[in-house]
Amino acid sequence: NAGVTQTPKFRVLKTGQSMTLLCAQDMNHEYMYWYRQDPGMGLRLIHYSVGEGTTAKGEVPDGYNVSRLKKQNFLLGLESAAPSQTSVYFCASSYSSQSLRGYTGELFFGEGSRLTVL
Amino acid sequence: AQSVAQPEDQVNVAEGNPLTVKCTYSVSGNPYLFWYVQYPNRGLQFLLKYITGDNLVKGSYGFEAEFNKSQTSFHLKKPSALVSDSALYFCAVRDPWVPTRDSSYKLIFGSGTRLLVRP
Repeated sequence: NAGVTQTPKFRVLKTGQSMTLLCAQDMNHEYMYWYRQDPGMGLRLIHYSVGEGTTAKGEVPDGYNVSRLKKQNFLLGLESAAPSQTSVYFCASSYSSQSLRGYTGELFFGEGSRLTVL
Repeated sequence: AQSVAQPEDQVNVAEGNPLTVKCTYSVSGNPYLFWYVQYPNRGLQFLLKYITGDNLVKGSYGFEAEFNKSQTSFHLKKPSALVSDSALYFCAVRDPWVPTRDSSYKLIFGSGTRLLVRP
């Protein structure tokens, strides 16, 4: 059981380049999330999705786009990378209250994708 | 607005000694509180949670946490630290209401506390 898998694990970009991070989960979770982790700031929510075909903005959405065309995948895109987007990105997934009775919201995380923008 | 504060960037303890990692929160109503641990180059792993009931919650790897409503705190504790407990620890809070179809289980995370257990 792979859980939550992120690709790539490492990437170096030049300012202005674009790229896509892929998150895949095999737990049939309804909800998926993208967080970024920066030193001293913990994790901040970028975008999230409550189901296939739906996405919503989190705390720090600017400069990012997302898509959830399939239930198991959640893509995070950077259209024009900036040095401020240098970070470690984490994908997470969770059940919904509808899919698991009594579920209280624990998240399952991938191992992270380290992105450097020069 | 919900918020979580972890006042210590780093906690140092000797192996075998008790450890405490502090967390305070601000949320309207009764909170759902979580602790996660992150080992080097890994994702976050769930440790324990407080939803309701007993103020002392037991979790994975011998960790426990004490919920104190009057002090709005949820400190993580372990009676006897191990070198292998050295990691980054995050406290998180969630609004307790059950999300509708258009919402989610959004967690608000603290800034993290690095625990260093020396042999």
